[in-house]
Amino acid sequence: RKEVEQDPGPFNVPEGATVAFNCTYSNSASQSFFWYRQDCRKEPKLLMSVYSSGNEDGRFTAQLNRASQYISLLIRDSKLSDSATYLCVVNSWGKLQFGAGTQVVVTP
Amino acid sequence: NAGVTQTPKFRILKIGQSMTLQCAQDMNHNYMYWYRQDPGMGLKLIYYSVGAGITDKGEVPNGYNVSRSTTEDFPLRLELAAPSQTSVYFCASSYSKQSGTEEYFGPGTRLLVL
Repeated sequence: RKEVEQDPGPFNVPEGATVAFNCTYSNSASQSFFWYRQDCRKEPKLLMSVYSSGNEDGRFTAQLNRASQYISLLIRDSKLSDSATYLCVVNSWGKLQFGAGTQVVVTP
Repeated sequence: NAGVTQTPKFRILKIGQSMTLQCAQDMNHNYMYWYRQDPGMGLKLIYYSVGAGITDKGEVPNGYNVSRSTTEDFPLRLELAAPSQTSVYFCASSYSKQSGTEEYFGPGTRLLVL
């Protein structure tokens, strides 16, 4: 079983719609969680950290469910520029584990 | 700040050739990392360094070597290139290894071994 698993997608989303997807992790001792964004043929860049209480950054909302060992990302009012691959990243004792990513395609 | 820089951007190697992938950062970060990313897979850690003169193996170190003589530079060496090393290589750095610390990535080096 992979340590961090994501639905690869693609999630095809009409512009203005809402899209949400999850990521599951296997290590219950994981300490911190992130969503990174990766554009085609580019490097990953931090989108947001995920806090236990859930957190919001503009149109993006991240949630953490430790009991079920998953994190989620919700994008509201999708923009064309949100088209990218979203990487789930889990930190366990300083070691980052990356998911393979969920591709989101926002269409006009 | 230039952030994390990598050279070359793209390289084609023949089986058995060697090369060095360069990585430099100007953020005075102690921690530096090398990852590889294969299609449909998450990034895999090859080697990392917690400071000048200190390096350690990651998840997939076989076939690679690193050195860290300065805080700024962290080159990755392939001694005998194999087709299995065809991948995109990302260098990253961070100021800490604490939970919650962001890693900054370079633009990547695309390597094709034929």
